[in-house]
Order: sequence, then structure tokens, then C-alpha cells
Amino acid sequence: DTEVTQTPKHLVMGMTNKKSLKCEQHMGHRAMYWYKQKAKKPPELMFVYSYEKLSINESVPSRFSPECPNSSLLNLHLHALQPEDSALYLCASSQRTSLSTDTQYFGPGTRLTVL
Amino acid sequence: DQQVKQNSPSLSVQEGRISILNCDYTNSMFDYFLWYKKYPAEGPTFLISISSIKDKNEDGRFTVFLNKSAKHLSLHIVPSQPGDSAVYFCAARIQGAQKLVFGQGTRLTINP
Repeated sequence: DTEVTQTPKHLVMGMTNKKSLKCEQHMGHRAMYWYKQKAKKPPELMFVYSYEKLSINESVPSRFSPECPNSSLLNLHLHALQPEDSALYLCASSQRTSLSTDTQYFGPGTRLTVL
Repeated sequence: DQQVKQNSPSLSVQEGRISILNCDYTNSMFDYFLWYKKYPAEGPTFLISISSIKDKNEDGRFTVFLNKSAKHLSLHIVPSQPGDSAVYFCAARIQGAQKLVFGQGTRLTINP
């Protein structure tokens, strides 16, 4: 089983709203990732949590705030977003047991539209 | 600086024939390479991977070849099926790092 789930599937929000994206995996993976993907572009890494600690922040604006409440859950809190933040937000997870062959498995994504 | 390049934005192949998708990279520190398949409005699906210590890995209809001297890898799909129509991303990881570097993707269309 290599399932990563994400909710909601679609989200429309105004620039003054606060919302959260959720991601869950039950594969016992110890690394979780947030990516952003714009149309016709490859996924771009935003954050990495390793053993529930933030290990990589790719200079993401503070209006995006990640949270890892436990080893199975990953949240992305959104506040005061801009229309250019509209994109597909992807969550991924990996075992993190052997770096040489650590494979990331992606969820279906949340399509975010900022008005 | 694009470290992983997929120079063909699109590829069209007849059903039943072989599809060959190519990927070039510039960073010799990459030690693990992956191919993902993506349908519109869905997350990427892992297909197959290869470690830099190997030159070939096969899984059913999918085979990945790695030529380290040329810094080139390719994904072969044979026989191609209509359900293979999707965007294919090549990705690479630097030794010891968690970050994946993705290519721009190749849109594969399988014609009946």
C-alpha cells in the first residue's frame, strides 16, 4: 500500500482567509514533503519534515506555515495568500530508512485557487 | 540552472510500439533516479527507479536505462498502451539529500 491522502481536493479562498491543507499516510514513513506545482511545470519542493522535525524550508514565504502533528499527518496552514499562489499542492512521503533508495510517494493533491 | 532536462516536451507513439522517454542531467552527485507518471489534476505516480550503481532496472513493461558517462537515462515502455498517455517526469536526487530535482516533463500520447 503506497497511499497518501490529501484533503480537501479543491479549495477556493480569498486573500484574507485562513485555511489549512491536510495530508495523511499510514505507511510508517518518517519523511513527509510539501510540493507546489503550477500548470505545465514540474513539482517544486516547499518543505520537508524528517522524523516530525522540519529539515528543509526552500525559502517559502511565511504566509505558508507547515505543521507535522505526528508521524502520519502533515498540515499546510495558509494565510494572506496571493492569486499567484494558486496551484496544485502535493504532499509526498518516504521511508527515510535508506537514503540511497528512498522513494517519494505522492498524494492526489489539493487544487488551490486564490481570488 | 536546470540540472535535470527532458528535451522533448511531447512524444506520440502508436499503440503496441515502444515508447522511449529521455532525460539528461548535469550533476554528477546524483545517485538515485526516478520516473513518475502524472495524469491531469492528479499527483505523480511512482513508476520505476534506478540507483547509480546499476545501468538497468526492469519492472514489467517498464525498463529504465542509466548511462552515467553520458549523464543520460531513458525510460522504455513496451508495448505501449492507451492508458500510458500521461506526462512523465524524470527526477534525480543528490547523494545524501532528500530533495528531488525534477525535469520539465514529457507528454506521451499513445495513438490507437
